[in-house]
Amino acid sequence: GEDVEQSLFLSVREGDSSVINCTYTDSSSTYLYWYKQEPGAGLQLLTYIFSNMDMKQDQRLTVLLNKKDKHLSLRIADTQTGDSAIYFCAESKGGSYIPTFGRGTSLIVHP
Amino acid sequence: DTGVSQDPRHKITKRGQNVTFRCDPISEHNRLYWYRQTLGQGPEFLTYFQNEAQLEKSRLLSDRFSAERPKGSFSTLEIQRTEQGDSAMYLCASSLDQVPKPNEQFFGPGTRLTVL
Repeated sequence: GEDVEQSLFLSVREGDSSVINCTYTDSSSTYLYWYKQEPGAGLQLLTYIFSNMDMKQDQRLTVLLNKKDKHLSLRIADTQTGDSAIYFCAESKGGSYIPTFGRGTSLIVHP
Repeated sequence: DTGVSQDPRHKITKRGQNVTFRCDPISEHNRLYWYRQTLGQGPEFLTYFQNEAQLEKSRLLSDRFSAERPKGSFSTLEIQRTEQGDSAMYLCASSLDQVPKPNEQFFGPGTRLTVL
């Protein structure tokens, strides 16, 4: 199976919270990342978390890591239409620390 | 700092032709990466450089692909004898090797290749 798995689509109403989930297989992953990709734009690193942490908060973004279950989530509070994009989960491990990406979750925010 | 730039943004070619893409990383970044992204997929790693040294190549990088970073600044990715299966978005990213290593990569806008 895939090293990093995500659901493909999520639809939310503007103002609600969005939760995007990701699972990974490699227990030796050291860093986990969330990237955002908007049409016509490059991938933008939103946030990352070190594997010995279980939570990281940055303004409207909250990352939760359950290392035992190898589950990562990204919560976006007060979701806006400008948050509509594809969100990629990625993990990296020691050595070259090159991220391995999931297939991305397409977040659609409707009024 | 203008970010990572890639040229061209779009390339249409006929099967069997050679193509070359260029990437200019963020100036102080010593690492440079090439990825390929097809529709509905995440970026797939192809190769990376630390300064001018090519340190790792993916099994995805067939013999028809070659990448260079001669002076440790810009990089080129050449595909020889293109095939329709090479049609994809080719992404370049750069980062500053640092300890600890969260590897904060900055991506360019990509070069979209269409092989007819």
